[in-house]
Amino acid sequence: AQSVSQHNHHVILSEAASLELGCNYSYGGTVNLFWYVQYPGQHLQLLLKYFSGDPLVKGIKGFEAEFIKSKFSFNLRKPSVQWSDTAEYFCAVNGGPDKLIFGTGTRLQVFP
Amino acid sequence: DADVTQTPRNRITKTGKRIMLECSQTKGHDRMYWYRQDPGLGLRLIYYSFDVKDINKGEISDGYSVSRQAQAKFSLSLESAIPNQTALYFCATSRQGGDTGELFFGEGSRLTVL
Repeated sequence: AQSVSQHNHHVILSEAASLELGCNYSYGGTVNLFWYVQYPGQHLQLLLKYFSGDPLVKGIKGFEAEFIKSKFSFNLRKPSVQWSDTAEYFCAVNGGPDKLIFGTGTRLQVFP
Repeated sequence: DADVTQTPRNRITKTGKRIMLECSQTKGHDRMYWYRQDPGLGLRLIYYSFDVKDINKGEISDGYSVSRQAQAKFSLSLESAIPNQTALYFCATSRQGGDTGELFFGEGSRLTVL
């Protein structure tokens, strides 16, 4: 069965620090990978996605993620975080036709 | 206006009561989903529907039922609510034939079962 692991449950950073959130998946077939963000009190929004092609994908608000097939990983990065990046971040993998399997989420707190 | 609308946004109820959460969308998408979110567990799929005549169980469907009344409406019911169904529930949609797996979420319905 497909699964997604996010090992960082809670990350605390100061503004301008660099961010990397880990995501590993278990799926034997062709994967579509996603990062969603949930700002406090809001619904989930798509941050970025990988379907094929360049394994380094860029999303909104300066986020990027790298797909490393050999490591079954899709880590999220941002060179310099801002207070407004405080949110919960979810990695997801396709678990069948239009059916996503989500990780347990990483809560990011950024302090000024 | 939101493209995916959930009602109610907040609900407190008692054990044993029947609860219905409603979802409507104006995106014209064929596919609709119900997820629940629990702290530390992420989002888990309850039910999903690829069109009006298609209903499928997700990973945690026990204790829930759904109804796809129209392309734009997908309701989730708890026939007899229990406290461990206290959670944040999200409805989502996706477009058939579109970017596989990209979901569009509603604002969420927070349910508390006492």
